[in-house]
Amino acid sequence: DGGITQSPKYLFRKEGQNVTLSCEQNLNHDAMYWYRQDPGQGLRLIYYSQIVNDFQKGDIAEGYSVSREKKESFPLTVTSAQKNPTAFYLCASSNHRGDQPQHFGDGTRLSIL
Amino acid sequence: QKEVEQDPGPLSVPEGAIVSLNCTYSNSAFQYFMWYRQYSRKGPELLMYTYSSGNKEDGRFTAQVDKSSKYISLFIRDSQPSDSATYLCAMLANSGGSNYKLTFGKGTLLTVNP
Repeated sequence: DGGITQSPKYLFRKEGQNVTLSCEQNLNHDAMYWYRQDPGQGLRLIYYSQIVNDFQKGDIAEGYSVSREKKESFPLTVTSAQKNPTAFYLCASSNHRGDQPQHFGDGTRLSIL
Repeated sequence: QKEVEQDPGPLSVPEGAIVSLNCTYSNSAFQYFMWYRQYSRKGPELLMYTYSSGNKEDGRFTAQVDKSSKYISLFIRDSQPSDSATYLCAMLANSGGSNYKLTFGKGTLLTVNP
């Protein structure tokens, strides 16, 4: 079955620590996205990538970093510079132009220890 | 004014009721309209995808788009407890060149009581 796999499902971060969230897709999509979801705030775009080795900042990129070395993979690093990292993180993918619906993974819940 | 407005609810209905969920928007550039359903601790899943004004039906679900009023709706007939979830409206607009950006409403939490 084609889809998007996010791991881990739950993640805990200590002060001053960087953590990396994994996102893998086997939908053969060119574009991949990272969103942050907070209660009452909806989905906010962190970073997106339309092609391997290229990515763009979204609306709330500060404190986050990404890489896109393979078409199937788009990991997100939450750095120690992100002072309020507790949230539900969602990865999505779509066609290159983004004019088709995005497909989502089941998210990673990140909490502070 | 936010680009997409959606009443967060919560909305609670008895089983079998007709549910109406709505979003309004201000950006005339929105061209494609979607409804996603999100169960607790899961990712959003696509329910409906429409382009033109009018109605689109899929089983118990009907999506309605009124571009002149900048208003979209999702109707759920014969609602079931399994429909209890957060419903997100989403809209696509050209963001420059051949690329598109997806904007979400904040979601409406629906509970269908047996």
